[in-house]
Amino acid sequence: SQQGEEDPQALSIQEGENATMNCSYKTSINNLQWYRQNSGRGLVHLILIRSNEREKHSGRLRVTLDTSKKSSSLLITASRAADTASYFCATDTWGAQKLVFGQGTRLTINP
Amino acid sequence: DGGITQSPKYLFRKEGQNVTLSCEQNLNHDAMYWYRQDPGQGLRLIYYSQIVNDFQKGDIAEGYSVSREKKESFPLTVTSAQKNPTAFYLCASMTGGGNEQFFGPGTRLTVL
Repeated sequence: SQQGEEDPQALSIQEGENATMNCSYKTSINNLQWYRQNSGRGLVHLILIRSNEREKHSGRLRVTLDTSKKSSSLLITASRAADTASYFCATDTWGAQKLVFGQGTRLTINP
Repeated sequence: DGGITQSPKYLFRKEGQNVTLSCEQNLNHDAMYWYRQDPGQGLRLIYYSQIVNDFQKGDIAEGYSVSREKKESFPLTVTSAQKNPTAFYLCASMTGGGNEQFFGPGTRLTVL
């Protein structure tokens, strides 16, 4: 089952611009995480936000969570060519030791 | 170096053959996971194991089997019953009670 739906499916911006990706989910969650996947590689964890948090920062990443709307956004500021990748949100629920992933947003940073 | 490894990177199989994908971790993690990823899609959970000698089906377990005889190892067998096995397979691990999953580099399986 795909809990998370991501929007847009693909995003292409110029280097230096900000990139925003959105994730919506269906059921109550414990945590929401964002992962990055370079083409043909495994996923790398970026950031985790708990259900009682509204915003979190890590370097050039800013994540927000709105539990009333069951949605989250990932903002990458001052994008670089190396940010080109697919980005996935993943949610877990209380007591469940597993994640449910969204379909992903494919981000392309043009030099 | 601590990490999670998968082998082989590329695997070719003839229709009707079973094939086993390897996943090993030296992170001392309790939980391990297998996902399938199709082109342009997200990850779908095949099987997961929270402890040695125990595992649970995920969302798409049909045509797959696993074992967890050692904490470090969680091999996945793609059986001939899996009708469309061509995909990218990812293994992950996580500490007990943790949230972040650590992923291997993946195995790309192609059925000829």
